[in-house]
Amino acid sequence: GDSVTQMEGPVTLSEEAFLTINCTYTATGYPSLFWYVQYPGEGLQLLLKATKADDKGSNKGFEATYRKETTSFHLEKGSVQVSDSAVYFCALMGIYNQGGKLIFGQGTELSVKP
Amino acid sequence: DTAVSQTPKYLVTQMGNDKSIKCEQNLGHDTMYWYKQDSKKFLKIMFSYNNKELIINETVPNRFSPKSPDKAHLNLHINSLELGDSAVYFCASSLRTGGRAGELFFGEGSRLTVL
Repeated sequence: GDSVTQMEGPVTLSEEAFLTINCTYTATGYPSLFWYVQYPGEGLQLLLKATKADDKGSNKGFEATYRKETTSFHLEKGSVQVSDSAVYFCALMGIYNQGGKLIFGQGTELSVKP
Repeated sequence: DTAVSQTPKYLVTQMGNDKSIKCEQNLGHDTMYWYKQDSKKFLKIMFSYNNKELIINETVPNRFSPKSPDKAHLNLHINSLELGDSAVYFCASSLRTGGRAGELFFGEGSRLTVL
């Protein structure tokens, strides 16, 4: 079945450091890929998405490129801020799935220190 | 106005009790969901409904019964609560269903603690 694997956290960075959170997936066909962010005590918010190979999603300085050849969707940001501290979830929606089911990775907690 | 709202936000109860969590969305979406987040932050779908019709029931114990009175509401009723039901339950909605459902909009979550 479809699945998503993320790098384990927690990840601790200093402000202005470069961020990469790895995400790889297993799915049939061309799923849609997402990054969601969960700030402390809040629900999940969509950070960015990509629906086909080579698409780049971007938002708030974060980017991720849909790589079909490596089945990856790594999240990057050039310079993190303290306010980026949150849990980040990679997710996929399989094209053949019924019901709009999102399959999530295990989440990566990011802590950014001043 | 909150797009997807859940009540209550916190729920503390004893084992064996019955409780409900309510969810409403004002986005005009056709599809609504319940997800469970465990203590390690892992998220798993429980149910999805499309226009009041059950689409996904992800091998959830039948103590959990969702009800959708209309497409803007999806409630979750849990009977005979067990310790393992302690989790954060998230309601979500999307414009469509199926493989191109697109973005899901999540509520803020309802933290259930069973003592």
